[in-house]
Amino acid sequence: EVKLVESGGGLVQPGRSLKLSCAASGFSFNDYWMGWVRQAPGKGLEWIGEINQDSSTINYTPSLKDKFTISRDNAQNTLYLQMSKLGSEDTAIYYCASATMDAWGQGASVTVSS
Amino acid sequence: DVVMTQTPPSLSVAIGQSVSISCKSSQSLVASDKNTYLNWLLQSPGRSPKRLIYQVSKLDSGVPDRFSGSGSEKDFTLKISRVEAEDLGVYYCLQGTHLPFTFGSGTKLEIK
Repeated sequence: EVKLVESGGGLVQPGRSLKLSCAASGFSFNDYWMGWVRQAPGKGLEWIGEINQDSSTINYTPSLKDKFTISRDNAQNTLYLQMSKLGSEDTAIYYCASATMDAWGQGASVTVSS
Repeated sequence: DVVMTQTPPSLSVAIGQSVSISCKSSQSLVASDKNTYLNWLLQSPGRSPKRLIYQVSKLDSGVPDRFSGSGSEKDFTLKISRVEAEDLGVYYCLQGTHLPFTFGSGTKLEIK
């Protein structure tokens, strides 16, 4: 069974950083592009970016490119999202997903507030 | 960025009725490999999104054939025949042809 489990969410102060992890199991993680999507409270889905199998290609939505960094560790079957200079607008549920969107995690809640 | 215009924003239908949701893109979604990367996803209340349809009309495994997708170039439709209670939630289209990938704003389906 394909499983994606996010962790690392929580309450963070404005201007600080936070790193989310996504543990993958049930499939050959290193064969797949992976990505992140977020959803602000009561809002729609926003594509953050994606990373290819060997991390040689990483694509971001332009508005987040300078704040967010996607990485992966194939030996640990884990995807990461490093978020910096967080503001209230970054409060959202962050989903790990396959790049083709056919597998999703349960989401990690991030709240940016003082 | 490609803008995905999804209509209507909400629908209220009775069990057994059929509904259609439209998604129009600001650019053609035909990729250089000739495929069209238009997906439909459903986010049921309190749940993570789930992909239903990919490449315009291909149903994901386990998705009932009451769901169908159609369209080409810039104009796409999701049709749900014989709506069931479990179909309620928010439907999103997503284009995966042009970077950055972009979602429609969603259509909330309610059951009367």
